[in-house]
Amino acid sequence: NAGVTQTPKFRILKIGQSMTLQCTQDMNHNYMYWYRQDPGMGLKLIYYSVGAGITDKGEVPNGYNVSRSTTEDFPLRLELAAPSQTSVYFCASMGGGAKQYFGPGTRLTVT
Amino acid sequence: DAKTTQPTSMDCAEGRAANLPCNHSTISGNEYVYWYRQIHSQGPQYIIHGLKNNETNEMASLIITEDRKSSTLILPHATLRDTAVYYCIVRVNYGGSQGNLIFGKGTKLSVKP
Repeated sequence: NAGVTQTPKFRILKIGQSMTLQCTQDMNHNYMYWYRQDPGMGLKLIYYSVGAGITDKGEVPNGYNVSRSTTEDFPLRLELAAPSQTSVYFCASMGGGAKQYFGPGTRLTVT
Repeated sequence: DAKTTQPTSMDCAEGRAANLPCNHSTISGNEYVYWYRQIHSQGPQYIIHGLKNNETNEMASLIITEDRKSSTLILPHATLRDTAVYYCIVRVNYGGSQGNLIFGKGTKLSVKP
């Protein structure tokens, strides 16, 4: 049982490039979340999903897109990367017990 | 979601109890108090949660005041590995649009030898 896994661990993007951050969970959780964390700050919700085929915006969705074609996977897509998207990205999943389990994070730098 | 107020930082001697306070004076009747911690930029880790009764698990104890306007997380015997940022969050106990965790800046706990 690996929990929540994220790839890649680190990435450097040039301005205007695109990429997909991968997130997979093996706990059969319906709820999945994407957060970003800027240096010295708390986490902010980007997008979330309540089940396969259903996604919704969080607090800071601009510049990102998500999809949820399976229960296990919840990729986050960055289109036209900007320096303001330099951050650490965390994916989380939650089952019926209302505890969120977090992945190890992806550290993204946009230059 | 109700807002929480936590001290920015605290120190604790290794082996002693760490008591982390949290104020949540506008908490609603159906909102729980959750505690998470984040060690050195790792993903946040769930610690404990409760509604109105005191709770204890293998990691910590949670004491919630009778009026539910504040709570205290207790790490009974702090170790150096407990050095982390601790987040107090109030939220409803289900997922979807109302079940998201809203993280503030938390309390940076430094456990010193």
